[in-house]
Amino acid sequence: NAGVTQTPKFQVLKTGQSMTLQCAQDMNHNSMYWYRQDPGMGLRLIYYSASEGTTDKGEVPNGYNVSRLNKREFSLRLESAAPSQTSVYFCASSTDTVIETQYFGPGTRLLVL
Amino acid sequence: AQSVTQLDSHVSVSEGTPVLLRCNYSSSYSPSLFWYVQHPNKGLQLLLKYTSAATLVKGINGFEAEFKKSETSFHLTKPSAHMSDAAEYFCVVSDRSGGGADGLTFGKGTHLIIQP
Repeated sequence: NAGVTQTPKFQVLKTGQSMTLQCAQDMNHNSMYWYRQDPGMGLRLIYYSASEGTTDKGEVPNGYNVSRLNKREFSLRLESAAPSQTSVYFCASSTDTVIETQYFGPGTRLLVL
Repeated sequence: AQSVTQLDSHVSVSEGTPVLLRCNYSSSYSPSLFWYVQHPNKGLQLLLKYTSAATLVKGINGFEAEFKKSETSFHLTKPSAHMSDAAEYFCVVSDRSGGGADGLTFGKGTHLIIQP
């Protein structure tokens, strides 16, 4: 099992460009999450999907959109990137609810110039 | 509302000595508590979790944590540090009443440095 995979590993964007971060899990988990990690801030939830076909906003959703394409895949889209979105993005999945163990991908480092 | 405070942003210990990473939480309900570890340029990995069973929780790699309700603490310990323990550690609290992923709050992390 690959667990949780993310692509790309690293990306540089110019302000105003768009891009989609991809995430896939092969553990048959129902719930999937997108976090951003900034120095000294811990992880902050952007969006989550409790089950296939549903998505909800987390703590910091502004400037992002998500798509739960199927049970395996959960993508994060930046429509018009801003320097404030420079961060490391992590995708995670869990069996069901938030109190279950979350399994994290290796992260995507995004730099917006 | 829930919150979690990791009392030290950096902890430095010598190899072979005990490790103590401190975490205090607040929660209106019976919380679930987790410790995750992040090695450089990696994703987070679960070390251990408390979900209202035994108050002393044993995790991977020799780590353990004790849930103390009276002190609202969930400190992480290890008897003898190893060089491979050098990483960032996150204390996480989950308020079951929150539902969905809104009920998960991460601490800001403690950077553990192991001196040879």
